[in-house]
Amino acid sequence: EVQLLESGGGLVQPGGSLRLSCAASGFTFSSYAMTWVRQAPGKGLEWVSAISDNADTRRYADSVKGRFTISRDNSKNTLYLQMNSLRAEDTALYYCVKCGGMCQYKWLDSWGQGTLVTVSS
Amino acid sequence: DIQLTQSPSFLSASVGDRVTITCRASQGITNSLAWYQQKPGKAPKVVISGASTLQSGVPSRFSGSGSGTEFTLTISSLQPEDFATYYCQQLNTYPLSFGGGTKVEIK
Repeated sequence: EVQLLESGGGLVQPGGSLRLSCAASGFTFSSYAMTWVRQAPGKGLEWVSAISDNADTRRYADSVKGRFTISRDNSKNTLYLQMNSLRAEDTALYYCVKCGGMCQYKWLDSWGQGTLVTVSS
Repeated sequence: DIQLTQSPSFLSASVGDRVTITCRASQGITNSLAWYQQKPGKAPKVVISGASTLQSGVPSRFSGSGSGTEFTLTISSLQPEDFATYYCQQLNTYPLSFGGGTKVEIK
């Protein structure tokens, strides 16, 4: 059974930083692209970032480009999202999501339960 | 960037009703479209991939169709467990994007 367990969320001041982690199990982590999707309170889903299986390709939403960095450690079965220069509008539940192969042309087939990031003074 | 417009944004229906949700893309995305179901307090779950492929374990009352710029998700006979919010997502071009969602509520 695929399991994705996010951690690292919390309350941070505007301009601050956080690093989210996602521990994956139940599948061959190094064979799948992974992605982060966020959901602001009471709002819809927003795609944030994606990384290929071997980390050679990384993609970002315009809203986070230059501030967020996605990475992965295949030896630890862990996905990361380094978030810098945080803004109030980054407040959301952040989901770690497994892609069905690549992310492009496929689908998002397994979701974690999310970790909440709150940016506020 | 590709914009996805879902309609309606809200739908009130009864158990047994046939329900159709539409997703329009601002440019062609072939069949690289998925539909997700999200219940309150839960993570989304994929129901349809590749515009029309039913995911494993999803009841056959769900179906998807379309290609290019116009897509539909149909629930042939709405059941109590289907009341949720549904999102479409295009996976053809980065940045990937979601529709605004359709909330299906009990009439």
